[in-house]
Amino acid sequence: GQNIDQPTEMTATEGAIVQINCTYQTSGFNGLFWYQQHAGEAPTFLSYNVLDGLEEKGRFSSFLSRSKGYSYLLLKELQMKDSASYLCAVMDSNYQLIWGAGTKLIIKP
Amino acid sequence: GAGVSQSPRYKVTKRGQDVALRCDPISGHVSLYWYRQALGQGPEFLTYFNYEAQQDKSGLPNDRFSAERPEGSISTLTIQRTEQRDSAMYRCASSLGTGHTDTQYFGPGTRLTVL
Repeated sequence: GQNIDQPTEMTATEGAIVQINCTYQTSGFNGLFWYQQHAGEAPTFLSYNVLDGLEEKGRFSSFLSRSKGYSYLLLKELQMKDSASYLCAVMDSNYQLIWGAGTKLIIKP
Repeated sequence: GAGVSQSPRYKVTKRGQDVALRCDPISGHVSLYWYRQALGQGPEFLTYFNYEAQQDKSGLPNDRFSAERPEGSISTLTIQRTEQRDSAMYRCASSLGTGHTDTQYFGPGTRLTVL
C-alpha cells in the first residue's frame, strides 16, 4: 500500500526554527510537494522537490532524499502566522498525488 | 477569475437527495482536480480533467459519484442518492498546464453535510 507519514502535531516558539519530517512509501515517485493549510482554508503550495537535496525559498526550505523516502520542511524565524497544518504529498507512478494527514504546527509567543 | 471558486460553500441535504457541486477554475487553467478532505486529513483524490476530457476517475468512491467538465472550464461533481458517509469537504484544484507536476491551486471547498 501507499503511505505518507508525518507527525500529527508540533509546537514551536516564535522566532525559532522547526523541522517537519515526512516519510513515504509509494508506488513510484514523481516528486514531493509541501502545502500549507490554515484552519478552514484551502491548501496553498509551498514547495516541490523531485531531485535530492535542499530547495530554499525565503524562510522556508524543503529537503528530499529519494533513497530514504524522506523529506523535511524547515521553517526559520517563525512567525505567529505560520501556525497552520503542513501537508506532505507525493506524486506516484500514476501521477496521482498521495497526501499525508498533515502536521499541525502551533506557534507560541 | 483571481482564484479557484466553488459553490455552494456549504450544502446541507437529506439522505437520498442528489447534489451538484460546482468548480470554476482559474482562467486559462487546463487541468482540474476534485478531492475530498475529511477533517484533520489530507485531500483524497477523486478525479481529474485535462480540458474537457476526464483523464482519471479511479478515486471516485462508487457509481453514485460522477463529474463533468463539458466545455473545458467549469466542472460539476454530482453525487446521487447521498448518504451520510458522503459528508465531507469537497475541494477543487486547477493547474495551468497538463504537466502532472504543475502546481495545483485549491479552491475554498464545499462543505457537504448529509443528514
